[in-house]
Amino acid sequence: KAGVTQTPRYLIKTRGQQVTLSCSPISGHRSVSWYQQTPGQGLQFLFEYFSETQRNKGNFPGRFSGRQFSNSRSEMNVSTLELGDSALYLCASSLGTGASYNEQFFGPGTRLTVL
Amino acid sequence: SQKIEQNSEALNIQEGKTATLTCNYTNYSPAYLQWYRQDPGRGPVFLLLIRENEKEKRKERLKVTFDTTLKQSLFHITASQPADSATYLCALEYRGSQGNLIFGKGTKLSVKP
Repeated sequence: KAGVTQTPRYLIKTRGQQVTLSCSPISGHRSVSWYQQTPGQGLQFLFEYFSETQRNKGNFPGRFSGRQFSNSRSEMNVSTLELGDSALYLCASSLGTGASYNEQFFGPGTRLTVL
Repeated sequence: SQKIEQNSEALNIQEGKTATLTCNYTNYSPAYLQWYRQDPGRGPVFLLLIRENEKEKRKERLKVTFDTTLKQSLFHITASQPADSATYLCALEYRGSQGNLIFGKGTKLSVKP
């Protein structure tokens, strides 16, 4: 089975711009979660999508949004970029059956640099 | 407030020794605790999961313990090798979290030959 793929792998943007990141989950996985990873804060949960619906949301401003398509692929959008948005953005997929055990399979991440 | 902490940012040990990493949490009612390995430039990779009613779990050279009274999990790598050098993350799934994980900031393990 192919793993989780994320595109692009690297992005450089300037303040005020917006960016869209893409994630393709493992085949058969219906849940996609997004995380932001920075050296200071570590891995922080952004949101989770399951069957095209946002099931959970972390504590991030409304500039961060996402969506999921019928084929479970997901996109994450950040508008009005700030310097502090520079981070590694990780996507993780899981079966998302709703059972409390939820092993997540992570993609390689997208490294976003905001100048 | 709720916290999950890995109290060592870095740990250096000699090859062949046992590495022990610590994960502490406060104000959570845990359902599961997971350990992940992350190499530079890569996403985390799942290693082990332990449930709240389990004391210990093993997988090859890895061992995880979970003490809900102390609110602590220990992660052991026995007979460590330089290839074990990586950042190790603990992640807590707590009751009511609907399956989402709260991660610690990680411990960077370096195993010297």
